[in-house]
Amino acid sequence: DAGVTQSPTHLIKTRGQQVTLRCSPKSGHDTVSWYQQALGQGPQFIFQYYEEEERQRGNFPDRFSGHQFPNYSSELNVNALLLGDSALYLCASSFRLAGTLANTGELFFGEGSRLTVL
Amino acid sequence: AQSVSQHNHHVILSEAASLELGCNYSYGGTVNLFWYVQYPGQHLQLLLKYFSGDPLVKGIKGFEAEFIKSKFSFNLRKPSVQWSDTAEYFCAVNAKGSTLGRLYFGRGTQLTVWP
Repeated sequence: DAGVTQSPTHLIKTRGQQVTLRCSPKSGHDTVSWYQQALGQGPQFIFQYYEEEERQRGNFPDRFSGHQFPNYSSELNVNALLLGDSALYLCASSFRLAGTLANTGELFFGEGSRLTVL
Repeated sequence: AQSVSQHNHHVILSEAASLELGCNYSYGGTVNLFWYVQYPGQHLQLLLKYFSGDPLVKGIKGFEAEFIKSKFSFNLRKPSVQWSDTAEYFCAVNAKGSTLGRLYFGRGTQLTVWP
């Protein structure tokens, strides 16, 4: 049973460029959340997707956008990169309780995509 | 909004020493509580969780945590640490029954265990 997989694992971009990060959730999971983990900090919530729609968003600018596909996989896009966007981007998957919209709240994380912006 | 405080940023212990990592949260409602661990070069893994019931929960690798509602705390403990416990530990919280499952994390505690 594959866990959460993310790609690419590492990438280097320059200021102003755009980046797309990809995530496949754990088998059986329908919800994908994205987190940004800056060096020395805990993960910060970016947004969450289920049923192919953004359901909640953290305190991140519109330069951060996402998408969820019918197979539950997801992409995180960041436009107009800034030096401060350098971080580890984590994808986490979970599933909603059957017949409800309630999420179990227990997240399974991928290994992350480390983005360096020069 | 919810927030999580982890008071110890870096803890250094010798093997066999006892461990207690502090975690306090702020939120007016009922919460689910988690401890995640990140070993060097690995992904975040769930160590233990509290949803309801017995406030003393046991997790993997001999870790346990106690939820004290009156103190808004969820401290992590282990009676005897091993070198392999060297890792970063994150406390996290989310609102119980949340339709969205967003987790709020503390900034983490780096544990270094000397052999």
